[in-house]
Parts: sequence; C-alpha cells; structure tokens
Amino acid sequence: KNQVEQSPQSLIILEGKNCTLQCNYTVSPFSNLRWYKQDTGRGPVSLTIMTFSENTKSNGRYTATLDADTKQSSLHITASQLSDSASYICVVSGRGSGANNLFFGTGTRLTVIP
Amino acid sequence: SAVISQKPSRDICQRGTSLTIQCQVDSQVTMMFWYRQQPGQSLTLIATANQGSEATYESGFVIDKFPISRPNLTFSTLTVSNMSPEDSSIYLCSVRGTGNYGYTFGSGTRLTVV
Repeated sequence: KNQVEQSPQSLIILEGKNCTLQCNYTVSPFSNLRWYKQDTGRGPVSLTIMTFSENTKSNGRYTATLDADTKQSSLHITASQLSDSASYICVVSGRGSGANNLFFGTGTRLTVIP
Repeated sequence: SAVISQKPSRDICQRGTSLTIQCQVDSQVTMMFWYRQQPGQSLTLIATANQGSEATYESGFVIDKFPISRPNLTFSTLTVSNMSPEDSSIYLCSVRGTGNYGYTFGSGTRLTVV
C-alpha cells in the first residue's frame, strides 16, 4: 500500500533554532517527492521538489534531503523565524501524470515561539 | 508557476444548503483537481476536472454530492451539496505545473457547516 508518514506530528521550537522534519514513504514506483508549506487556513505552497537522482535541494533556509534507497526524506529549517510557523506536508508522486498518483503525508505542525 | 484565485476563502453555511467554490487560473491547463482536507488530516483527492467532459471522481465521492463544472481551460467550480456538519473541511483546487513547480494549489476555502 502506498503511504507517506511524517514525524513528528507537531513541534515547538524557539525562534532562531534549527529543526528537522522527517518523511518516510512506501510509494512505488517512485517519481518525485515534494515538500509543501501550508499556513493555517491557506493552500499548500511548494518548497522543494526532488527526483530519485537528487540527494539534496535547498530553497533559502529550507534544505530537503532524499534517500531513495531507504525511502526517507527530511526537511531541515535553519535559523527559524516566527513566519515559519505552519504545517509542512510531504507529497510523494508515483509514476503517471494524474493527481491520483500523489500521496500526501498528514504533515508536521511547526510552531516557532519568540 | 500558475497562479490560482480561489473563492470564497471561507464560509459558514446552514446544513441542507449548498455552496459553490470557484477557481480561476491565470493560464490554460488541461486538468484541474479538487481536494478536501478534513481537520488534522492530509489532502484527499475528490475529483479531476477536465474541460469538455465529465469530472472523474475518486472512490467515496459522487457527482450528486460534489458536482463540478469546467466550462473552459482556466476555470472550474466545485459545489458541496446538501451540506452536513461532516462536510466541514478545507476545500482546495490544484493544477499541475510545468518544470520543477509541481502542483500549485489555490488558497483554499474553509467551510464550516452548522
């Protein structure tokens, strides 16, 4: 069964600190993996996208890693800011172009406090 | 990447009534997708809306409950019919981007049924 699991479910960190969010998946065959940021009550916004041949992808203070062998990905946030408070969703694509080939994690709720 | 305008952003509705959600895209796209995100849950695909043909619904979703229109390549509507409190969710539309932009999501409609 194609599944995407994220951990932790929620996380509270102090402003300025770093954190790492985890994503494990069982989707096969695998096409790519995306991390999205979703502010409360808003739609998800793409942070990074990686194919199986990519190990690391950065977008400002966000760095995503992918290990296609172990089917694990992480999202590292550096020097967190209050505006980083949001849900971070890992989305894995199987082969095919349709949206029914997308598998969503339940997200990690990050709260950054001053 | 495509820009999606979704409205309304939120609404509180009486049970038994219907609400129509609109999504406007700033470019022509073949497929548009509608998702539901129940509180604390990941996104669930409702249907794929193709221009000129009936929408394709995922298991558990039916046209009578969630009729969809797709009159042209830049616009779609989703109607939540005969609402009950269990329909309280965030509803999102999405389109597939090009290159490394993955899927773009609308800003979401937060629906509360009382």
